[in-house]
Amino acid sequence: DAMVIQNPRYQVTQFGKPVTLSCSQTLNHNVMYWYQQKSSQAPKLLFHYYDKDFNNEADTPDNFQSRRPNTSFCFLDIRSPGLGDAAMYLCATSRDEETQYFGPGTRLLVL
Amino acid sequence: GEDVEQSLFLSVREGDSSVINCTYTDSSSTYLYWYKQEPGAGLQLLTYIFSNMDMKQDQRLTVLLNKKDKHLSLRIADTQTGDSAIYFCAEKGLTGGGNKLTFGTGTQLKVEL
Repeated sequence: DAMVIQNPRYQVTQFGKPVTLSCSQTLNHNVMYWYQQKSSQAPKLLFHYYDKDFNNEADTPDNFQSRRPNTSFCFLDIRSPGLGDAAMYLCATSRDEETQYFGPGTRLLVL
Repeated sequence: GEDVEQSLFLSVREGDSSVINCTYTDSSSTYLYWYKQEPGAGLQLLTYIFSNMDMKQDQRLTVLLNKKDKHLSLRIADTQTGDSAIYFCAEKGLTGGGNKLTFGTGTQLKVEL
């Protein structure tokens, strides 16, 4: 089945220690998104790649960066995680501006 | 910015119908979506409706759209315990670019026996 895959499902990191979350997709979609979702809140878009073009949301902290080495993979890098960055991180994909399909998420815990 | 509002909780008995409501402010909305999120999981697309439609039915799900009032609802017929989850309404419009989804706060549906 075509899908959006996120690894790992749970990630524990230390305060200030860089961490990378990964997302891959077999849908061959050209747009990939990263969302942050804190407990009991709606998902919040951090940024997205439209093909190779990176689109950052205005209020996304500089601490969050992303890489997309090819169509299938996209990474979320958190340079210096703080306690406030503990959240569920959701990856989604779409073909152009069509419907977004989400992965299962990675829950990040910062100690 | 654009806003999407939902009530926080809904409790229904198994077998009854559930109706989850959503209001939005973006007059340029093109598509409106319903996603389901179970505990610890990602968002599962349930259904969506194009803004020039007023109703869409898909098995137990019925979506109603009142574009004039900017009101969207999701009706789940014969609600089952497996329907217990958080339901997010989301709208996509031209504001902020065609790729941006604005989510509601989510409605937690609890199905009681």
